[in-house]
Amino acid sequence: QVQVVQSGSELRKPGASVKVSCKASGYTFRQYAINWVRQAPGQGLECMGWINTNTGTPTYAQGFTGRFVLSVDSSVNTAYLQITSLKAEDTAVYFCARSYGGGWNDYWGQGTLVTVSS
Amino acid sequence: DIVLTQSPATLSLSPGERATLSCRASQSISSYLAWYQQKPGQAPRLLIYDASNRATGIPATFSGSGSGTDFTLTISSLEPEDFAVYYCQQRSGWPHTFGQGTKLEIK
Repeated sequence: QVQVVQSGSELRKPGASVKVSCKASGYTFRQYAINWVRQAPGQGLECMGWINTNTGTPTYAQGFTGRFVLSVDSSVNTAYLQITSLKAEDTAVYFCARSYGGGWNDYWGQGTLVTVSS
Repeated sequence: DIVLTQSPATLSLSPGERATLSCRASQSISSYLAWYQQKPGQAPRLLIYDASNRATGIPATFSGSGSGTDFTLTISSLEPEDFAVYYCQQRSGWPHTFGQGTKLEIK
């Protein structure tokens, strides 16, 4: 069965970096892209970007360029989200999801809470 | 960016009632719309994709309709576990934006 498992919660100080992992299993990893979605506390869902797991090519939504880096290691069926120069407003739950049918999120990770606080 | 506007913001209904949730796009998105359900502390769950196709394992009480700019998610008879927040999402244009959500609460 398809499973997507993310790394655990992170607490960082402003200016630091964090790397969230997203490990998929139960399907051929390179056949589906991985999407990333942010949810700030008490807020809605925000599309951050996606990565082609076959070529490693990322695509970012506006507002998620520069400090946000998507990468993939297909040898271990894992995608990554790195955020540098963290700010308090980066505090959120970050979800990854398998991309189905051109962009739908059909299998989701459990989410990773990133808290940025001094 | 394509803006999705969901209405109402909150919908108060009782178990057994029919729920109708709306999602309007700022421009035509053909049938490139999905619906998700999210419960507190959980990841969203895909319910409907391409406007009217139920995702794997989704009961037939959930149905989606619409095309162009106006879309509807209908829950024919509410079960206690259906009370949650529902989001629509489009994939017609990048970025694949979400609506702001409709909270379905128990009356």
